[in-house]
Amino acid sequence: DTAVSQTPKYLVTQMGNDKSIKCEQNLGHDTMYWYKQDSKKFLKIMFSYNNKELIINETVPNRFSPKSPDKAHLNLHINSLELGDSAVYFCASSQSKSGVGPGELFFGEGSRLTVL
Amino acid sequence: QQQVKQSPQSLIVQKGGISIINCAYENTAFDYFPWYQQFPGKGPALLIAIRPDVSEKKEGRFTISFNKSAKQFSLHIMDSQPGDSATYFCAASRHSGYALNFGKGTSLLVTP
Repeated sequence: DTAVSQTPKYLVTQMGNDKSIKCEQNLGHDTMYWYKQDSKKFLKIMFSYNNKELIINETVPNRFSPKSPDKAHLNLHINSLELGDSAVYFCASSQSKSGVGPGELFFGEGSRLTVL
Repeated sequence: QQQVKQSPQSLIVQKGGISIINCAYENTAFDYFPWYQQFPGKGPALLIAIRPDVSEKKEGRFTISFNKSAKQFSLHIMDSQPGDSATYFCAASRHSGYALNFGKGTSLLVTP
């Protein structure tokens, strides 16, 4: 039983298209994240939701729009895709604890987006 | 700006040797320092973590050393094995925050 699952695993699309990546976690966690890993493997946080509320929104183009319909799901929609959006996008979840911080992050296996 | 600086970028160690990866941070509000391990095609997974109230934490062959005054911490992998070949990320966060700030990663290759 996969704890954090992302779909699709691979996505190849043309510049200018709109695409979505879906994420689901079955760990009962209250916090979910989107991280972007570039070709040099740098992991950069994009968004974080805690109990469906957006709590982290890093400097990301507004072409990227996250949506959390419930605590177990966090989707990422990208409009007008650009070449520079090519990367691996990781979804993660954790159970936050007051005074402790984000806790252990559980990552999905990633969604590799290639923009041609 | 990079909140956690990690070195080296890549490391080659012979089987049985010691692998050492170093990280440094500036934000004194950070109080949680995990290390994540990532194999090709997989997401990162927590390896070991430390809080600043201790200077060292050991789990099996993996040890974190923490120097609060220098704002540095390091991962030591004793008796390195080919199966340890992966990318290692240090990270840091605040107890009042939600963001885990990652270093740029170290690609470790352990040769037979």
